[in-house]
Amino acid sequence: GIQVEQSPPDLILQEGANSTLRCNFSDSVNNLQWFHQNPWGQLINLFYIPSGTKQNGRLSATTVATERYSLLYISSSQTTDSGVYFCAVSGNAGKSTFGDGTTLTVKP
Amino acid sequence: GAGVSQSPSNKVTEKGKDVELRCDPISGHTALYWYRQSLGQGLEFLIYFQGNSAPDKSGLPSDRFSAERTGGSVSTLTIQRTQQEDSAVYLCASSLDWGAGTQYFGPGTRLLVL
Repeated sequence: GIQVEQSPPDLILQEGANSTLRCNFSDSVNNLQWFHQNPWGQLINLFYIPSGTKQNGRLSATTVATERYSLLYISSSQTTDSGVYFCAVSGNAGKSTFGDGTTLTVKP
Repeated sequence: GAGVSQSPSNKVTEKGKDVELRCDPISGHTALYWYRQSLGQGLEFLIYFQGNSAPDKSGLPSDRFSAERTGGSVSTLTIQRTQQEDSAVYLCASSLDWGAGTQYFGPGTRLLVL
């Protein structure tokens, strides 16, 4: 199956700093999503982005499908951005594979 | 409803008992997914449905796990003869169609097997 690697595994930022999270995947995909899991465990969809670039407020994402990676950018981070960020991909088989996540801590 | 709902939100059971977990997807979503998340871990894919059929059951951890979906809507994940290693959060998601489009997650069912 498709392998998904996320980096870094852990990230600590001061409030207001910017960050880039990376997701590498081992095969072509037709679905890629970024999620934020908040401290209460709820998974919030951030982007559906199998290719191209999208922006939503302070967050943006870029997927370069031909090179099998996606990047999530967080600008002017806030304490409420803390949590775990997951990348999930699926190929033709439909099965979704999640990376191990990046745990982000934003300090005031 | 407006989002994916799951019930119960928490379940404590004794080893060896059977449990049923329920998922109500977003209305009109044909695809439904079940995942498991152990403490501090990522999400493990269990099974997905397109309509009422489950093309790929290979993610189910053992034959004690089964799932069904009726009427293209509600799904039930059943764990028979629960074991302590089954303790985890079980998450359900739905999307408009299989393999494509945004997956929306429910709040999960926290299962504790004593």
